[in-house]
Amino acid sequence: GQNIDQPTEMTATEGAIVQINCTYQTSGFNGLFWYQQHAGEAPTFLSYNVLDGLEEKGRFSSFLSRSKGYSYLLLKELQMKDSASYLCAVRYSGAGSYQLTFGKGTKLSVIP
Amino acid sequence: DSGVTQTPKHLITATGQRVTLRCSPRSGDLSVYWYQQSLDQGLQFLIQYYNGEERAKGNILERFSAQQFPDLHSELNLSSLELGDSALYFCASSSGTGRGYTFGSGTRLTVV
Repeated sequence: GQNIDQPTEMTATEGAIVQINCTYQTSGFNGLFWYQQHAGEAPTFLSYNVLDGLEEKGRFSSFLSRSKGYSYLLLKELQMKDSASYLCAVRYSGAGSYQLTFGKGTKLSVIP
Repeated sequence: DSGVTQTPKHLITATGQRVTLRCSPRSGDLSVYWYQQSLDQGLQFLIQYYNGEERAKGNILERFSAQQFPDLHSELNLSSLELGDSALYFCASSSGTGRGYTFGSGTRLTVV
């Protein structure tokens, strides 16, 4: 299988920094994505990593280590509106398909 | 507005019935993906179409089928519905460049 593991829930304080980890099976890896999903809404794209290292985009950063099968999403200066589920998704090499395999998501609660 | 249009937004139907969910991809996108999201599960890949042809198949039940039409819109047909089919059904589209895709707002299906 292509299990993607991430914590089920996390809680952090407004203004703080939180790191959401994701591990995945490395065989056939072809890119990693992070999406944000508010309850009952569509997932929205946050970041994309295909090479090792850190990608920074405003308050959000995403890191990838291909050899370790590991990624994290870093959220800085947390705001109440960041309360959402964060989905880690991996694209595996396939016959011309760009389908993504998603983890179950990490539900982040930001508290005052 | 993500550019991916799904209808209807909500659907309530009885067990044993058949429903059709519709998706119009973002302008210029040739690929359409269907995902199912149940309460305790992550996004489960069902099926992908590319320019009218089936490209990849995931955990799609035999009671479910899909197609993509010449104008690139897609329909997901769910038949002999069971209570367990109650879920959010998302459609996503991509341009095929490999940088992930854009989700529609989803159809919430409730089977009673």
